[in-house]
Amino acid sequence: DTGVSQNPRHKITKRGQNVTFRCDPISEHNRLYWYRQTLGQGPEFLTYFQNEAQLEKSRLLSDRFSAERPKGSFSTLEIQRTEQGDSAMYLCASSPGPDRGYEQYFGPGTRLTVT
Amino acid sequence: AQTVTQSQPEMSVQEAETVTLSCTYDTSESDYYLFWYKQPPSRQMILVIRQEAYKQQNATENRFSVNFQKAAKSFSLKISDSQLGDAAMYFCAYMNGGSQGNLIFGKGTKLSVKP
Repeated sequence: DTGVSQNPRHKITKRGQNVTFRCDPISEHNRLYWYRQTLGQGPEFLTYFQNEAQLEKSRLLSDRFSAERPKGSFSTLEIQRTEQGDSAMYLCASSPGPDRGYEQYFGPGTRLTVT
Repeated sequence: AQTVTQSQPEMSVQEAETVTLSCTYDTSESDYYLFWYKQPPSRQMILVIRQEAYKQQNATENRFSVNFQKAAKSFSLKISDSQLGDAAMYFCAYMNGGSQGNLIFGKGTKLSVKP
């Protein structure tokens, strides 16, 4: 299967701890996106990479959040000093860009629970 | 700012029947893309169909078709010959053509399919 993969699938952490999630996009896709989805809501955009460059960040991405895509392949999303409000599903998506009408393909997500 | 509204929190359809899910959006842009995504319970988001705003012809993908009314800013999804596997949350999403490609999602419509 060459779809988008995310690890871990579930993460339970205590308030104040740091967590890191990983996303492996579809190999030929140069665009990578992070979204956050809370219960009963649609996903909300967090940040976007084109190759290794982080080109856009949402206001939702506080200073405690940082994302990287060091070699233009996989990406990591780190949350420092987690808060209960960070509990959500974190989704990663990749896209080939205009070649296929900017379609985005999503991974299974990482569900974060902060206790 | 662009917004996407799905006014039907829940819908139900009998197996083999047809159902239409509604979506309206607000934008002042002329170049944009619209998408429908399906999210089955505890499973990842799947792209159902894409519509480019510059195309007058409504997109179709097998049993799925859209009714794109640009002037009315309406983008409904029609599912024909509904199957049990169509049961899921359906999200309508908007993307600016000139942007980096982040999606703006509605809150979703939960579709149930009755056997």
